[in-house]
Amino acid sequence: EADIYQTPRYLVIGTGKKITLECSQTMGHDKMYWYQQDPGMELHLIHYSYGVNSTEKGDLSSESTVSRIRTEHFPLTLESARPSHTSQYLCASRRGNGGNSPLHFGNGTRLTVT
Amino acid sequence: AQSVTQLGSHVSVSEGALVLLRCNYSSSVPPYLFWYVQYPNQGLQLLLKYTSAATLVKGINGFEAEFKKSETSFHLTKPSAHMSDAAEYFCAVSDMSGANNLFFGTGTRLTVIP
Repeated sequence: EADIYQTPRYLVIGTGKKITLECSQTMGHDKMYWYQQDPGMELHLIHYSYGVNSTEKGDLSSESTVSRIRTEHFPLTLESARPSHTSQYLCASRRGNGGNSPLHFGNGTRLTVT
Repeated sequence: AQSVTQLGSHVSVSEGALVLLRCNYSSSVPPYLFWYVQYPNQGLQLLLKYTSAATLVKGINGFEAEFKKSETSFHLTKPSAHMSDAAEYFCAVSDMSGANNLFFGTGTRLTVIP
C-alpha cells in the first residue's frame, strides 16, 4: 500500500536537460527525505526537510536541489543532467521528531542520463 | 557517528533452511535499529525495528531480530526460508542527534534456492 508516490518510475534523458523528480505523500508527515541508491552501495541521504520551507543537504554532496512549499510535496530538481547522475532516487517520509519512527518509502525513480 | 556494517553482500539459502543476515552497528549511545526489505523495482519496506524495549523483535513475514549490546549486533533471522523471501535486505541505524536521520548498510541480497 503506497502512501508515498514518486513519478516518473523510469526516466531516460540526454545530458544537459533539466529534470524534476516528483514525490508526494498523503500521510501528513512533516519529515521528508531523498536518498540516492546505487547497486552494492548503501543508500545515501542527499536532501531532507523538517517541514514547509525547510530544506537541508544530506551526507552525500549532490548537484540537485529540492523545495518544500507544501507539506505533501517534495520535488527534486537537476538543472543540468549529467551521466554521473544516473542512479535510483528514493523519496521517503516519516512522522514526528523521534528517531524511532520508521521511514516510509516510495517506489523510486530510476534515472538514466545518456 | 552512527553506522552499520552488513557482513555478506550475497547470501544463498535453500528453501526451508534458516535465514541469517548479519548487521553490526556502531553507536556511542543506545541506538534505534531497523531492518528493511527491498523487492525488485520497489522502494524499501519496513520489516522490524528495535527501540530499546524487548531485545528480541518480531517483524513481518516471520522475520525476527535480536539486539545484542555486548556484540553490537542486530542480526535478522527467519527459521524457514520461502521463495518469496528473495530480495535485498538493509539494516539501518538512527542518528541520535537532532536530525534523527537513518544511516543504511550496503545491503545483503538473499537468494532462495528451490
